[in-house]
Amino acid sequence: GEEVAQTPKHLVRGEGQKAKLYCAPIKGHSYVFWYQQVLKNEFKFLISFQNENVFDETGMPKERFSAKCLPNSPCSLEIQATKLEDSAVYFCASSQMWNQPQHFGDGTRLSIL
Amino acid sequence: EDQVTQSPEALRLQEGESSSLNCSYTVSGLRGLFWYRQDPGKGPEFLFTLYSAGEEKEKERLKATLTKKESFLHITAPKPEDSATYLCAVQADGGTSYGKLTFGQGTILTVHP
Repeated sequence: GEEVAQTPKHLVRGEGQKAKLYCAPIKGHSYVFWYQQVLKNEFKFLISFQNENVFDETGMPKERFSAKCLPNSPCSLEIQATKLEDSAVYFCASSQMWNQPQHFGDGTRLSIL
Repeated sequence: EDQVTQSPEALRLQEGESSSLNCSYTVSGLRGLFWYRQDPGKGPEFLFTLYSAGEEKEKERLKATLTKKESFLHITAPKPEDSATYLCAVQADGGTSYGKLTFGQGTILTVHP
């Protein structure tokens, strides 16, 4: 499509439960980026993909976070055993090349209770 | 470590009152500097990319400029619909991390009629 589509818009989980977020990039874009936004616009980079391959995972907490981009499926970000501190808005962005403008979806708000 | 600092944190203007937003950055090697606009509950919307010192880009009432240490977003004769959070982000030129954006904290712009 013409826009990055993120689902669901809002996700509520109890502490310790699993959370899974989805992102469909713009058609024709090869790169997908995930960011976490907490408090007052603080964006934190998590992970990026080139098609289905991990491109950069330097920002990814290794213990509970995982992500995938499989052919013909939305990309996903999964958090196991969620903690209160995981509450944030998670944004997905896509771009044609890694050094070109990234176009963002409207995010998934994750609330951990 | 790449760093981006935006000022002021918040800016209130009267309609028609021109002003500038500042973005200071420290990056190992600049691949690109990006300006985004973010409305409440939405993802960042791409405005401009600047690649080298001296470069300028314009779009309607907005003009972005770049030096070796900072970027300015000039807003000429703003209207209430320009009210939003303006985000600056830098992308480093390779090293250990390709593609990820490092964001500033944003400037919240409010334009009163």
